[in-house]
Amino acid sequence: DGGITQSPKYLFRKEGQNVTLSCEQNLNHDAMYWYRQDPGQGLRLIYYSQIVNDFQKGDIAEGYSVSREKKESFPLTVTSAQKNPTAFYLCASSIPMWDRSPGSNQPQHFGDGTRLSIL
Amino acid sequence: ILNVEQSPQSLHVQEGDSTNFTCSFPSSNFYALHWYRWETAKSPEALFVMTLNGDEKKKGRISATLNTKEGYSYLYIKGSQPEDSATYLCAPTSGTYKYIFGTGTRLKVLA
Repeated sequence: DGGITQSPKYLFRKEGQNVTLSCEQNLNHDAMYWYRQDPGQGLRLIYYSQIVNDFQKGDIAEGYSVSREKKESFPLTVTSAQKNPTAFYLCASSIPMWDRSPGSNQPQHFGDGTRLSIL
Repeated sequence: ILNVEQSPQSLHVQEGDSTNFTCSFPSSNFYALHWYRWETAKSPEALFVMTLNGDEKKKGRISATLNTKEGYSYLYIKGSQPEDSATYLCAPTSGTYKYIFGTGTRLKVLA
């Protein structure tokens, strides 16, 4: 079955440590996204990538980094510069916007998420 | 599209009741609106994608309407069941990469 796999489900970070969240998809989607959810807030975009070897900052990219070396994979690194990393992280994929025509709109497909906590 | 509001934030209904909630968004630069259902411990699942003013979509007991001129969409659930308990998210897009997600409406259906 096609889908998006995020790992691990739970992750703990020590002070000053970088951690990497994995996101893999077998939907053959070109576009991939990382979101962060905090209590009482909507999903906020951290980074997105419309194609391999290209990615763009979202609204809250500070303290995060990504890579897109393969179509299937879009890992997110939470660096020590991210002072408040405790949150729920969701990865998503979709057909890129340039493939869409009016009336032919495809939704995003999501993984199950990773919950990151500070030790 | 900058500001998306969903109301109410949460509600409890009895099994068999019908219910509805609202997604409000700025009407300028509108391209499409997505509705998602997000059950606890699962990933968000796409319900509807709506693009045209006056659009109405239906999936079983769930339906949605769209008014792009005034900037709102309604989601209706007829005869709520416990398995409808979830958070319902809306996300308008202006046709770029960016989806602006609302904070969601958390629905609890009591048996």
